[in-house]
Amino acid sequence: KAGVTQTPRYLIKTRGQQVTLSCSPISGHRSVSWYQQTPGQGLQFLFEYFSETQRNKGNFPGRFSGRQFSNSRSEMNVSTLELGDSALYLCASSSPGTTGSPLHFGNGTRLTVT
Amino acid sequence: QKEVEQDPGPLSVPEGAIVSLNCTYSNSAFQYFMWYRQYSRKGPELLMYTYSSGNKEDGRFTAQVDKSSKYISLFIRDSQPSDSATYLCAMSSVGNNDMRFGAGTRLTVKP
Repeated sequence: KAGVTQTPRYLIKTRGQQVTLSCSPISGHRSVSWYQQTPGQGLQFLFEYFSETQRNKGNFPGRFSGRQFSNSRSEMNVSTLELGDSALYLCASSSPGTTGSPLHFGNGTRLTVT
Repeated sequence: QKEVEQDPGPLSVPEGAIVSLNCTYSNSAFQYFMWYRQYSRKGPELLMYTYSSGNKEDGRFTAQVDKSSKYISLFIRDSQPSDSATYLCAMSSVGNNDMRFGAGTRLTVKP
């Protein structure tokens, strides 16, 4: 079974630009979560989508948004990029509707904002 | 105080040693406990998954959860250089898919 796939692997953007990251979950997984990972803050929860609906949201500004499609694929968008947005963005999927089910992560998109 | 505390290390051990990694937490609502391993330039990989208190063993890895002390551990027996990675503890509460992670402990196993 294929794992979680994230594209692109690396991105370099300039302050003020916007960026869209893509995630394809494990087949059959309907829950997709997004995390930001930085050396200083570790893994921080951005949001979770289930059946095309945002089910949970972390404490990030409105510049961070996401969506999920009917095939469970998800995208994350960051507008008006800031230097502090440089991070590894991780997507994770989990089994449908199972509370507390473990997350399975992709290898992330490394975003650098200059 | 963070919800999940994990010593970031770094931790360096000789090959064959027993490694003990630990996390403490403050939220008594946590019921699901996980350990992830993350190699450089990779995403976290699920190692162990336990529900509530108790022990779970998988090969060289043993996970322990003590809910009364709000303390979880991961033991690695006969450690190998390939075990060199960052280990993250994670936990979530019933009905909440918002998982909380520790800061991660960087482990190096020297040949």
